[in-house]
Amino acid sequence: DQQVKQNSPSLSVQEGRISILNCDYTNSMFDYFLWYKKYPAEGPTFLISISSIKDKNEDGRFTVFLNKSAKHLSLHIVPSQPGDSAVYFCAARLGTSYGKLTFGQGTILTVHP
Amino acid sequence: ETGVTQTPRHLVMGMTNKKSLKCEQHLGHNAMYWYKQSAKKPLELMFVYNFKEQTENNSVPSRFSPECPNSSHLFLHLHTLQPEDSALYLCASSQEPGQVYNEQFFGPGTRLTVL
Repeated sequence: DQQVKQNSPSLSVQEGRISILNCDYTNSMFDYFLWYKKYPAEGPTFLISISSIKDKNEDGRFTVFLNKSAKHLSLHIVPSQPGDSAVYFCAARLGTSYGKLTFGQGTILTVHP
Repeated sequence: ETGVTQTPRHLVMGMTNKKSLKCEQHLGHNAMYWYKQSAKKPLELMFVYNFKEQTENNSVPSRFSPECPNSSHLFLHLHTLQPEDSALYLCASSQEPGQVYNEQFFGPGTRLTVL
């Protein structure tokens, strides 16, 4: 049973527009959520995170929104740039899990010039 | 060297071979992790080490044997693997897992093919 799901395998966006990547989870005990970006032949790179006590966290062009009642989080990238083209993973942590992250399957974002 | 490094980057081995994957972190972290990423599947946590002690074994078969001699180095010893073990193996490190904000930093991975 997959506790973290990214239902869109891919997303295509025009440069300068907004990219919205979505993630759903089933375990209401998750207390910390992260987004990672992965380029081919590289490991995932940490992008932004949010604690369950917040509903929004912003860092430059990247904003993560958390809707606990819907068990849903999203990553907004504004404006999107061709260099943002990568695979994006969301991950969630249980407060008691001592470092264990549960990852979604990833969404391939392509930003067209 | 900076960040998290992994060697080798690519490995092809037969089912009867014994090989080892190496990970080194240069971030001063105390926790290290092994993940497996199979095609079209999410990253799966395999092992967690905190201050050299194993704190998580996610029901991994015994043909995978981790070793953590110190907080900077992590090995994954492989023996009698199966073709379905072919995957990308990623190492990560972080501050103590119990910290509230615990971003994990990943290495580039080892692409393993078992023939």
